[in-house]
Amino acid sequence: EAGVAQSPRYKIIEKRQSVAFWCNPISGHATLYWYQQILGQGPKLLIQFQNNGVVDDSQLPKDRFSAERLKGVDSTLKIQPAKLEDSAVYLCASSSELAGGPYNEQFFGPGTRLTVL
Amino acid sequence: AQTVTQSQPEMSVQEAETVTLSCTYDTSESDYYLFWYKQPPSRQMILVIRQEAYKQQNATENRFSVNFQKAAKSFSLKISDSQLGDAAMYFCAYRSFYGGAQKLVFGQGTRLTINP
Repeated sequence: EAGVAQSPRYKIIEKRQSVAFWCNPISGHATLYWYQQILGQGPKLLIQFQNNGVVDDSQLPKDRFSAERLKGVDSTLKIQPAKLEDSAVYLCASSSELAGGPYNEQFFGPGTRLTVL
Repeated sequence: AQTVTQSQPEMSVQEAETVTLSCTYDTSESDYYLFWYKQPPSRQMILVIRQEAYKQQNATENRFSVNFQKAAKSFSLKISDSQLGDAAMYFCAYRSFYGGAQKLVFGQGTRLTINP
């Protein structure tokens, strides 16, 4: 079974530029998560999708971050414009768990390391 | 809101010895899950062990075991017979049992070094 795929692995941009990250979850997984992991900290959830609907985006800075999951499969996370404090690793995870359903493990991708100069 | 605290930024242990990583959490919920994740330099988060709060028995997975103290809100990870491949960042995480959102709330992490 293929794991969660993310691209690119690394990205360096200047502040105020735009950037987009892509995630392809494990086939058949209904739920997709984006986490932000700042250096020296644990990951923090930015947004959770179930199929193509948003379940939780309470910690997403909506003035500059946006995310979509068209057709309930792949997802894209965008930052526009980027700030220095957005430098972090962006992790995508997926699970077959449905909201309110029994537990199923979240599987993580390798992440995208973003550096904002 | 739930919080998770790992008070040991770094730990080191000799190969083949035992090490314990600490984690405390705060919640008003009675049912929840607790996890330990391993993050090697490749950055991929790997689930090490899971504990359901309603289970009194401590979870074990081969060389990994936990000491779950629900009243004290403590959840420590013991690694026996440490191996070089165990070197990584270890994160303790909390997840609500109920509700539509299943986000993981992570601690700050503990960097584990294995000395040969």
